[in-house]
This record gives sequence, structure tokens and C-alpha cells, in this order.
Amino acid sequence: GAGVSQSPSNKVTEKGKDVELRCDPISGHTALYWYRQSLGQGLEFLIYFQGNSAPDKSGLPSDRFSAERTGGSVSTLTIQRTQQEDSAVYLCASKLLLTSGGLSTDTQYFGPGTRLTVL
Amino acid sequence: KQEVTQIPAALSVPEGENLVLNCSFTDSAIYNLQWFRQDPGKGLTSLLLIQSSQREQTSGRLNASLDKSSGRSTLYIAASQPGDSATYLCAVGGITGTASKLTFGTGTRLQVTL
Repeated sequence: GAGVSQSPSNKVTEKGKDVELRCDPISGHTALYWYRQSLGQGLEFLIYFQGNSAPDKSGLPSDRFSAERTGGSVSTLTIQRTQQEDSAVYLCASKLLLTSGGLSTDTQYFGPGTRLTVL
Repeated sequence: KQEVTQIPAALSVPEGENLVLNCSFTDSAIYNLQWFRQDPGKGLTSLLLIQSSQREQTSGRLNASLDKSSGRSTLYIAASQPGDSATYLCAVGGITGTASKLTFGTGTRLQVTL
């Protein structure tokens, strides 16, 4: 039905606190991505999940960042001991990898993002 | 490491003009290239996706071309409208199996004036 959803839409936290960001992908999409968009910078890849395969964590900036995807659907990005430089918009995207009716399936569909502000 | 550059960073045109946005990338071994628009406070909307074997894609007033060998793509917008005002992002999908991890440019902020 609906597109990718993310919650919360905005999160303000104090330095040193942990935060959890949630992503609900489009139903049936097997691939899920997390990106970060910092002020004045482009989007940067953080982590990728595909089915039951081990996630590609190559974009995570530090070990304070982790993510999991439960049941092949909802994903949670956790940032521990937040720092001010973690302030950014965190975007989630999902993609269907299997072809269907000849339609292009490489398109990544993005959620509206979570704006994180660390004070 | 793939680097994606978009020129210009910002563009203002009067309504009705045709315009071209440019995207260049340093590694020509790409899986695909995707153009998005981003409206303030909102997520990204996919506009066009070009597979590495394709030269162009069209959707309505939009046409995107890809020249993989020279590392360039252009997004052509015909008869621009105020509703086209947004930031346009170019993203390159790398060859990493089926991951197609995207590397984004910093975008072109377009304003179409009345």
C-alpha cells in the first residue's frame, strides 16, 4: 500500500543519549538501505540489508552506529552516545529486487526521513 | 572511490524555459544512474533510472541521458514550471552484486520563477 514510512519525523536529543530511528519499508521489498544527509553535504550510504544475507555495514561512520532488520521488514537504526556531528536527516529506502511484469525494479523508494538534532 | 559532481549548484530560470542539469562521475563502472528530486522537508522522489546499458530515459517533460564512457549524465527539463522548483539529485549505483549502493551528488537547487 503506502510508501516507505519513518518515525519519528523529528528527534531532538542531548549529547550522550542513545536514539532509535525506525523504518517501515514498502511491503514485499527485499532490500533496505539507510542513508544520512548532513547539512550542506550529499547523502551518504550507511548500511544495506538484503533478505537473510549479512548486511553491508561499510558506510557506518563508527561503532556507535548499528542497525537491525527484524523479520525481513522493519528496520531500526540505533545511535549510541550521540554526538553533535550526528545531527542530520536519516533517510531509509527500500527496493524490490525481483523483476515483475517487466517494470524496472532497481529504483530505490525513499521515506520522508528523520531529522535528528543533537544538542 | 566513486565521486559524483553536479553543476550548477543552484539555478534560477523563468517559467517556460528549457534547462539542463549536469552530473559527472569519476568511475565509469556503474550499475545504473538515478535522478531524484527532493522537496524541502521531504524525502526523495525518483524521477528517472537509467541502466548502464541504456543511453537515455524519458518521462513526460523530463529526459535523462547517460554517457558512461565519459562519466556524464544530463537531466533535461522542458517547459519548466514553478512546481519543478526543488533540489535535483543525481545518484550512481555501483557494481556490487545486487546491492546497487548509491553514491549521491550534492544536488542542484532549481527555482522556477513566474
